[in-house]
Amino acid sequence: LAKTTQPISMDSYEGQEVNITCSHNNIATNDYITWYQQFPSQGPRFIIQGYKTKVTNEVASLFIPADRKSSTLSLPRVSLSDTAVYYCLVGSSNQAGTALIFGKGTTLSVSS
Amino acid sequence: GAVVSQHPSRVICKSGTSVKIECRSLDFQATTMFWYRQFPKQSLMLMATSNEGSKATYEQGVEKDKFLINHASLTLSTLTVTSAHPEDSSFYICSARQVRADTGELFFGEGSRLTVL
Repeated sequence: LAKTTQPISMDSYEGQEVNITCSHNNIATNDYITWYQQFPSQGPRFIIQGYKTKVTNEVASLFIPADRKSSTLSLPRVSLSDTAVYYCLVGSSNQAGTALIFGKGTTLSVSS
Repeated sequence: GAVVSQHPSRVICKSGTSVKIECRSLDFQATTMFWYRQFPKQSLMLMATSNEGSKATYEQGVEKDKFLINHASLTLSTLTVTSAHPEDSSFYICSARQVRADTGELFFGEGSRLTVL
C-alpha cells in the first residue's frame, strides 16, 4: 500500500481557504485517493475521494495532478468546527477486503 | 449512507477481565470488517481484518490470543480483549467497506473507548 506524507499540523483562521497537500509517490495504477476527517473520540469520517484531476463535493475539493504523486485537499472558508485531524489515504477502491492504512495525518487548527 | 455502529462507546473494566466490543453494519452486508486501535494523539493502527465465516487476519505484533475476533454474520464482528491490562486502554474503531460502482468508501464506527483500571 502506498505510503503518504502530510504536514503534521496547519493553522488557519475562520473564513480562510485551507489547502492540505499529501505526497504519495508510490501510488499504484488502481489506487484511489481518499481523505478522511477525524474529531477527538470519534471514528474517521469520509470527506472526498478521487482518482485524477479534480473532484468537488459540498464540503471540499480534491486536486490531483496528472502524475498522481500528490493530491491537495481544499477546504473553502473554514470555520472553527473544521478543527480536526485530516488523513490522506491511498488504496484500491474495488477490493472490499483491503484495509486502508493510516498515516500520521494533519492536525488543522482553526482560530477566530 | 451506509452506517457502521459500535457498542459500547465507552467501557471501564478491571485489570484481568475480558471486554467485548461489537461492530455492526446497519444497512449493508460486510464480508470483511477491519479493527483499528488508536492511542492518544496518534494515528489509527490496523489491528486485524475480520472475515465472515473464517479466521481473522492479524497485523504483525498484534496478539491473536489476546484480541479475539469473531465475524459470525455478514453484519456483525466482535472484538474481545481478553485479560485486559492498563496498557490495553485505547480507542478501538471498526470499519467496513461497501463496494459500490462510484466509490469504495470505508465506513467507520463511532469508536469504543476502553479504560482498564
